[in-house]
Parts: sequence; structure tokens; C-alpha cells
Amino acid sequence: GENVEQHPSTLSVQEGDSAVIKCTYSDSASNYFPWYKQELGKRPQLIIDIRSNVGEKKDQRIAVTLNKTAKHFSLHITETQPEDSAVYFCAASISGYSTLTFGKGTMLLVSP
Amino acid sequence: NAGVMQNPRHLVRRRGQEARLRCSPMKGHSHVYWYRQLPEEGLKFMVYLQKENIIDESGMPKERFSAEFPKEGPSILRIQQVVRGDSAAYFCASSPPSLAGAYTQYFGPGTRLTVL
Repeated sequence: GENVEQHPSTLSVQEGDSAVIKCTYSDSASNYFPWYKQELGKRPQLIIDIRSNVGEKKDQRIAVTLNKTAKHFSLHITETQPEDSAVYFCAASISGYSTLTFGKGTMLLVSP
Repeated sequence: NAGVMQNPRHLVRRRGQEARLRCSPMKGHSHVYWYRQLPEEGLKFMVYLQKENIIDESGMPKERFSAEFPKEGPSILRIQQVVRGDSAAYFCASSPPSLAGAYTQYFGPGTRLTVL
């Protein structure tokens, strides 16, 4: 089955800096890669996703890149703000078989 | 359009009791997924259901756990004879049918199960 590795497990940055979280996946058939943000005690919320027919997607301060050959994808957050502090999860899914395999999460701490 | 609803939000059970967790998907969504999250860990897939059908239960323990999504009403995750190791947050997600093949999943607020 699919295996998703996520790094780093914790990431501390100063407000205004950029943050990068990286994930690798094992199954080359995976073609859908969402990112979720989870604040303490809250539900995971979808913040951005990418499908394998594109290499990059942006939404304001958030971007995701995908390298299918290397089987890795990354989340980039620019101009970080304290409210970006949360746990971020990457996930992968195989088309037509829609269960998500999650990474173990990255705790992002943005200091004012 | 209300989001995914789960109840109860918190559930306390003693060892050996039964736990029943409910999930109402978003309006128009016909796919339901259950995930379990242990403290400081990621979400682990348990079961994927469509109305009246279990599509994939490969992540669900063979004993004590069962799930259903009836024609009418919410999806139910049932845990019989709970043990302390069942203590976790259980999240439900729903998605609409998608011709693209991969479905965007929206999560409910979760049920936090504590087994004493």
C-alpha cells in the first residue's frame, strides 16, 4: 500500500519568514495530493491540493509543488503569520481509489 | 450548506462498554470515510462507505469494530467492548462523487473517545 513520509516533524520560524514542508510517497499510481491544516482540538481543514497533471499550484501565500519523477511534493508558506501556527498534514490518494494516506504531520510554530 | 456533522463531540466509556459514533455528511455527498487519530499522530484510514455499501474496510480492526451508512440517516461507527487503546479522536470525512476519480474530502469536527 501507499506510504507517505513527512518532514520536518516540527518547524519554528519567525513571523514574515517562509516555511517549507516536504512529503514523499511510495506508490507511483498516486495522483492526488491534498494538504490539511489542523489547529489544536479542531478538524483538519483542506488548504490546498494538487493533482498529478500539474507541477505547481498557488493560492495567495500558499503554494504546493509536485515532482512525480522523484515522488515528492512540498508545501510552501510565504510571509508567515502567527495564525499559521498549526499542524499541517500531507496526504496522497490513488485515482479511483479515494482513501487518503496521511503523513504524520508537521507542527509549525510562527513566533511574532 | 452545513458542513460534516459528528456527534457526540466527546464520549466517555468504561472498558467493555459499546461506543457509537455518528456522522452526517455534507449535503449532496454520498461518500463517507472514517479515520482515527491518536495523540500527536496522523490520521489513519479505517473504512470507506457509500450508501448501504462498504467499499473498503481494510483499515478497520477485524474484531469489535463495525461501520454502516444506511439509506436513511447518518453513518455509524460502532466499537464493541471498548479497551483503553481505543481512546482516540475519530474523524469522519465526506466527499461528493467526482468524475475526476480522486475525491476532495471534507472533515467533521471529530468525536473524542475516552475509555476509562
